[in-house]
Amino acid sequence: QQQVKQSPQSLIVQKGGISIINCAYENTAFDYFPWYQQFPGKGPALLIAIRPDVSEKKEGRFTISFNKSAKQFSLHIMDSQPGDSATYFCAASMTGNNRKLIWGLGTSLAVNP
Amino acid sequence: GAVVSQHPSRVICKSGTSVKIECRSLDFQATTMFWYRQFPKKSLMLMATSNEGSKATYEQGVEKDKFLINHASLTLSTLTVTSAHPEDSSFYICSARWGGRGDTQYFGPGTRLTVL
Repeated sequence: QQQVKQSPQSLIVQKGGISIINCAYENTAFDYFPWYQQFPGKGPALLIAIRPDVSEKKEGRFTISFNKSAKQFSLHIMDSQPGDSATYFCAASMTGNNRKLIWGLGTSLAVNP
Repeated sequence: GAVVSQHPSRVICKSGTSVKIECRSLDFQATTMFWYRQFPKKSLMLMATSNEGSKATYEQGVEKDKFLINHASLTLSTLTVTSAHPEDSSFYICSARWGGRGDTQYFGPGTRLTVL
C-alpha cells in the first residue's frame, strides 16, 4: 500500500518553463511534507518542506502548494534550468515512530536547454 | 550546517566478505539515524532506524543479522553488511535527524556497494 502517490513519473520541461510535480497522501496524521532533490549517484538533499497549517511556501524558485482538504501537495519550479534536471521525491511523516519518512516513487525531471 | 558524511563512497568486495559503512553527522548531534537502500531509478527503501544507545528497529523484510547497525554515539552510526553476496550490491544512504532541529532528515552522499 503506497501511502504517498507521486506523479508524473517523468517530466520534460523547456528552459524557463514551470515544472510541476504532484503528490497525494492518504493518512491525515501526516503533518510534515518535505521535497527532496537527488542527482545521480548522490544522496537526496532537502529542497523545501511544509506543514498543513500553511497553504503555500516559497523559497527562491521553488514553491510548495498544499491542499489539506484534498490531501494533496505539489512542487512548482519556476524558471526551470538545465541544472534542475534531477529526480525529485515528495515525502510525508507524522509525530512518533521517529518521524519516519514515507516516500513517493520519484519524478525524473529533464530540463531542455 | 546539517552535514552528514558517509565513508566509503564506493566499495567493491568479494562475495562472502563483510563490509562496514560509516555515517557521521558533522555539525549536529543525531538523535536518530536512518539507513536506506536504493535501487537504480527507484525510490528510497528504509532498512532500519536507530537511536543512539538503542538497538536498531528494522523494517519488515530486512534481515537484522545480515545488516548490522550500530549507533554508538550521537554522531556516528555504522552499517555492516555481513557475508555480502551479489544481490546485496546497491546504493546505501544514511540520514540523520536531530530532535532539536525539528523533523528534517539530512542525508549523506551515499555508498555504492558492489559485491563480486
